Amino acid sequence: GENVEQHPSTLSVQEGDSAVIKCTYSDSASNYFPWYKQELGKRPQLIIDIRSNVGEKKDQRIAVTLNKTAKHFSLHITETQPEDSAVYFCAASRSNYQLIWGAGTKLIIKP
Amino acid sequence: EPEVTQTPSHQVTQMGQEVILRCVPISNHLYFYWYRQILGQKVEFLVSFYNNEISEKSEIFDDQFSVERPDGSNFTLKIRSTKLEDSAMYFCASSPMDGELFFGEGSRLTVL
Repeated sequence: GENVEQHPSTLSVQEGDSAVIKCTYSDSASNYFPWYKQELGKRPQLIIDIRSNVGEKKDQRIAVTLNKTAKHFSLHITETQPEDSAVYFCAASRSNYQLIWGAGTKLIIKP
Repeated sequence: EPEVTQTPSHQVTQMGQEVILRCVPISNHLYFYWYRQILGQKVEFLVSFYNNEISEKSEIFDDQFSVERPDGSNFTLKIRSTKLEDSAMYFCASSPMDGELFFGEGSRLTVL
């Protein structure tokens, strides 16, 4: 079955700097890759997603890149702000049925 | 903006008791899911439901678990005989055809 690895588990960056979180997946048939942000005690919220027919997608300060050959995808956050502090999860799916999640990255933005 | 709603927000139960967690998905969505998240860990898929039947389930979703859509709006998760390790946050989610999941606020289950 699908397996999603996520690194790092914790990332601490200075406010204003960029943050990059990386994920790899095992199932080459996966075609949908969302990123979720989860604040403490809250539900996961979709921040950006990418499908396998696209290599990069950007939404303001957030971008996701996908390398299908290498089976990895990354989340890039530029000009980080205190409100970006949260746990970020990547996930992968090859259907509308089941998302397989990474273990999460705790992002800490230092003032 | 339409939301997935879940009840109860927190339930405390004794080991061995049955628990039913309730969800109202977004009304025009077609796919429904249950996920769980043990405190401090990643989100784990339990089951997906489409066209009034289970479409996929994980190894976690054993015979102790069942799901129902008893009417046109509710989607329930039943745990027949709770164990200590069932303590977790349970998230319901729904999606339209395009795959984006919309999560509810979660139901925290504490098994004593």
